[in-house]
Amino acid sequence: SQQGEEDPQALSIQEGENATMNCSYKTSINNLQWYRQNSGRGLVHLILIRSNEREKHSGRLRVTLDTSKKSSSLLITASRAADTASYFCAASSGGYNKLIFGAGTRLAVHP
Amino acid sequence: GAVVSQHPSRVICKSGTSVKIECRSLDFQATTMFWYRQFPKKSLMLMATSNEGSKATYEQGVEKDKFLINHASLTLSTLTVTSAHPEDSSFYICSARTGGNDSPLHFGNGTRLTVT
Repeated sequence: SQQGEEDPQALSIQEGENATMNCSYKTSINNLQWYRQNSGRGLVHLILIRSNEREKHSGRLRVTLDTSKKSSSLLITASRAADTASYFCAASSGGYNKLIFGAGTRLAVHP
Repeated sequence: GAVVSQHPSRVICKSGTSVKIECRSLDFQATTMFWYRQFPKKSLMLMATSNEGSKATYEQGVEKDKFLINHASLTLSTLTVTSAHPEDSSFYICSARTGGNDSPLHFGNGTRLTVT
């Protein structure tokens, strides 16, 4: 299968709460990236973590990477209704560093 | 920031016809572009890697004669769905990098193809 696994598949929270999404992948990677997709639109890059990094922050986003477990997590703190979207992890590997996407987590943040 | 423009955003065609989707990098040159397909509420499936001036590299299970990719310039890649059938109905998204192979992808807004 091309895809990795993400959990949960869907997450529903209230504004102000934190949202945590997990991702597992199958092959060795060069880096792992997280993207956001609003319904019916293209994807927007959020954050990239390299294989030799363990944690990275960007604004309200925190990403961790555990290469021994082939897993990553994305934490969105103090969520807002505007964070409602689908979130995908993508593992970068191979010569062209093509990205293989996980199944995604649909996040709904309620006001 | 880097902009990838994809056209058309929506297209409806009849079975048996061909549809061409264009992907342009507006403010940067892209030697490599990636074409993905996405089913409703599903993840993106990589179809092929498009290389400027050479043949595309297709993923396993993707018919190269069905999905023709042409990357004739550093700013344009096209995907042609030939002899379309209803099962080809899907959301097709292209992407490209501004930097080296270790940089993020910039995505077009996708094309919703409906084959009747």
